[in-house]
Amino acid sequence: AQKVTQAQTEISVVEKEDVTLDCVYETRDTTYYLFWYKQPPSGELVFLIRRNSFDEQNEISGRYSWNFQKSTSSFNFTITASQVVDSAVYFCALSEAEPMNRDDKIIFGKGTRLHILP
Amino acid sequence: AAGVIQSPRHLIKEKRETATLKCYPIPRHDTVYWYQQGPGQDPQFLISFYEKMQSDKGSIPDRFSAQQFSDYHSELNMSSLELGDSALYFCASSLGGRGAFFGQGTRLTVV
Repeated sequence: AQKVTQAQTEISVVEKEDVTLDCVYETRDTTYYLFWYKQPPSGELVFLIRRNSFDEQNEISGRYSWNFQKSTSSFNFTITASQVVDSAVYFCALSEAEPMNRDDKIIFGKGTRLHILP
Repeated sequence: AAGVIQSPRHLIKEKRETATLKCYPIPRHDTVYWYQQGPGQDPQFLISFYEKMQSDKGSIPDRFSAQQFSDYHSELNMSSLELGDSALYFCASSLGGRGAFFGQGTRLTVV
């Protein structure tokens, strides 16, 4: 069965600090996809990253970086030099691969509410 | 670029009424998904359609039904609404295993 665990329910940091959001996943499939989404107070789900299980390279996009480690089934997300606009709920998610090049449903973690204090 | 369109964006209904939410996927996308996100919760998968046929089913109540039409748009019908149905409802679409794209959601309030 698939499962995504975000152990940090809520985090508060002061602006300009770095913050890491943890994500641990469980799946029996060898081919799967991992995601991070941002949900600001307005409610929309903002896609941040999609990573397939065969690509363990870390990724950096501006102030965002992701660390994927299959050995520990973790896909952690770091925001460097945080800003107030980063305040949101962040969801880690997992999708198992479907045959015929289709996307399976996405299973979300419970989310981490991030507060960036000015 | 075209995105997933959901309508309405906001909906207020009374208990026991019926609601219909609409989703217009990205053109040429062949799969549509519906998710429900209660207050303070994570999005929960309800149902999906691939090429207009139901492909997977999650924790969708029997009072809810959905379908995908010939033009690929999808509708989620909710009957006998309960207070607990108040939530954000997301639709997402995908094509060929390239990842799902979410709409902006419909906020349903049942009073």
